[in-house]
Amino acid sequence: GAVVSQHPSRVICKSGTSVKIECRSLDFQATTMFWYRQFPKKSLMLMATSNEGSKATYEQGVEKDKFLINHASLTLSTLTVTSAHPEDSSFYICSASLSVTGGYGYTFGSGTRLTVV
Amino acid sequence: GNSVTQMEGPVTLSEEAFLTINCTYTATGYPSLFWYVQYPGEGLQLLLKATKADDKGSNKGFEATYRKETTSFHLEKGSVQVSDSAVYFCALNQGGSEKLVFGKGTKLTVNP
Repeated sequence: GAVVSQHPSRVICKSGTSVKIECRSLDFQATTMFWYRQFPKKSLMLMATSNEGSKATYEQGVEKDKFLINHASLTLSTLTVTSAHPEDSSFYICSASLSVTGGYGYTFGSGTRLTVV
Repeated sequence: GNSVTQMEGPVTLSEEAFLTINCTYTATGYPSLFWYVQYPGEGLQLLLKATKADDKGSNKGFEATYRKETTSFHLEKGSVQVSDSAVYFCALNQGGSEKLVFGKGTKLTVNP
């Protein structure tokens, strides 16, 4: 089945540095990918929708200059957290959309635990 | 706008107990409905889905029926196992949009 590989699974970085998270579709082409942030004991918050070859669409309240999304190919989308601060510590999950008969399907990466110290 | 409301957790059950996690939704038209499961430290996995009214999604002993009249998609399992311990998310996708709208999640713990 469709697999999305996300890495790193865990990253610790110093405050002020940037961190890149990669999301790859391994056996299919993903024209659309989604980036979510999950706060402890809370649901997933959609941050942005990433379309191959075009600019990402950010949800209200998400800083596009802080969370840079690049979807340069049909199999790779990246999220870069720039000038990270402790409040950016969170669990980030990517998802790829699969258009299937009868409705959309989605497959998720395994997530990245970011800790900013 | 579209929204999903699911029962607050945490839910703690003994092995072989019956499980129900309630989920109701608000949407225009006929959304597709999903249940996702998240095991500790992992991403989300699709558990089951239903795309139209009266459809029943089922997988691994879990079931949920798309009830348009009550705008519900309750998750049930007749006999839970310790390995079912996870967080369960109800979600919907509105036709014409690829975005998923999630409920807040319900943490299930199953004790031996």
